[in-house]
Amino acid sequence: GAGVSQSPRYKVAKRGQDVALRCDPISGHVSLFWYQQALGQGPEFLTYFQNEAQLDKSGLPSDRFFAERPEGSVSTLKIQRTQQEDSAVYLCASSRWRTQTYEQYFGPGTRLTVT
Amino acid sequence: RKEVEQDPGPFNVPEGATVAFNCTYSNSASQSFFWYRQDCRKEPKLLMSVYSSGNEDGRFTAQLNRASQYISLLIRDSKLSDSATYLCAVWEEYGNKLVFGAGTILRVKS
Repeated sequence: GAGVSQSPRYKVAKRGQDVALRCDPISGHVSLFWYQQALGQGPEFLTYFQNEAQLDKSGLPSDRFFAERPEGSVSTLKIQRTQQEDSAVYLCASSRWRTQTYEQYFGPGTRLTVT
Repeated sequence: RKEVEQDPGPFNVPEGATVAFNCTYSNSASQSFFWYRQDCRKEPKLLMSVYSSGNEDGRFTAQLNRASQYISLLIRDSKLSDSATYLCAVWEEYGNKLVFGAGTILRVKS
């Protein structure tokens, strides 16, 4: 079946622009995670949804970052007024479980470059 | 101190060699541990879960040492296709999230 998909795969933004990154989780997966992966680092947790509820946003680096999942399926991560330090790969992962959600399937990521 | 630490490598090994990586974690209450593999410019993919009794899958063996708070991954008979970054991940039950290390780079050469 289809895996997690993300779009766009690559995004170049000028500093100060707003960007929106989309994640389509595996159908039926209730839990959805966003991670940020800087070059040479592991994925760092940003935020977590269970269905449409955002249960944890403790990893969002600033109030310029905003995520939503209004209907409990597709999710969008929005970054306002992008800065150079936002350049990274943004990974989305989904899990079929509500708890014990360590069995996660990752999408291919969106590589964001802020110039 | 980072929650999950790994030697970044790279580990350069010849085909057929045995190689082992360790990963240390800081939270003694952690219960669940995983190894992910990440190819260049690709997403992480779950390689193995790490059980308290150890876990073996073909050429790959994962071990947990709770007393010293580390997990290990052993790869026997390395193949060129094993070249990748190996990410260690620890499950934070209270936060319902995975915490990843920075990864260890493995390069297998012919």
